[in-house]
Amino acid sequence: QVQLQESGPGLVKPSETLSLTCTVSGGSISNYYWNWIRQPPGKGLEWIGYIYNSGSTNYNPSLKSRVTISVDTSKNQFSLKLSSVIATDTAVYYCARGSVDSGTGAGWFDPWGQGTLVTVSS
Amino acid sequence: SSELTQDPAVSVALGQTVRITCQGDSLRSYYASWYQQKPGQAPVLVIYVKNNRPSGIPDRFSGSSSGNTASLTITGAQAEDEADYYCHSRDSSGNYWVFGGGTKLTVL
Repeated sequence: QVQLQESGPGLVKPSETLSLTCTVSGGSISNYYWNWIRQPPGKGLEWIGYIYNSGSTNYNPSLKSRVTISVDTSKNQFSLKLSSVIATDTAVYYCARGSVDSGTGAGWFDPWGQGTLVTVSS
Repeated sequence: SSELTQDPAVSVALGQTVRITCQGDSLRSYYASWYQQKPGQAPVLVIYVKNNRPSGIPDRFSGSSSGNTASLTITGAQAEDEADYYCHSRDSSGNYWVFGGGTKLTVL
């Protein structure tokens, strides 16, 4: 059974770079879409982006200029970097495995990590 | 604002049937998936590709789709179904993923 676990600093200063890592256990990191999703306190879910097949990336247009997602297949980990953070980047950040049905193009996220709260504050 | 629109809140009496809807242009082309989120927990997939349930999800959860609307139906709602529910699909361009704003389900 695949499990995901986020790790990284819980506090980041404004204008600095948020860096998080997701460790995948119980399965290979190949052949799936590996996603980052966030949720500001008391608000809804926002998709940040994914990395696929160890190289291809796709980012939310609203965050694209600040986001980088990379993968380390030797460690079965993928990472998120969000630059120039501001207070509204404060959120619980989740990593999740994505799948796509080749016939319909429909996608889904399963499983999810437990999430990690990142606060942007000086 | 999200490209997928959900009612902010819905209530249902214990044991009754409730439908949670999600509207968006992209739903004419792509099925939605649905997630249940309880306070302090990560979202859990309950329905994918129109009406598929992952292992462990009770069969009282079902999905359907018509036109620009996807629906999650809970038949015989239980107290433990009280949670936030989010739909997810592609955006209108088909290139990016988006979530609905979420629906808070209260079981009375």
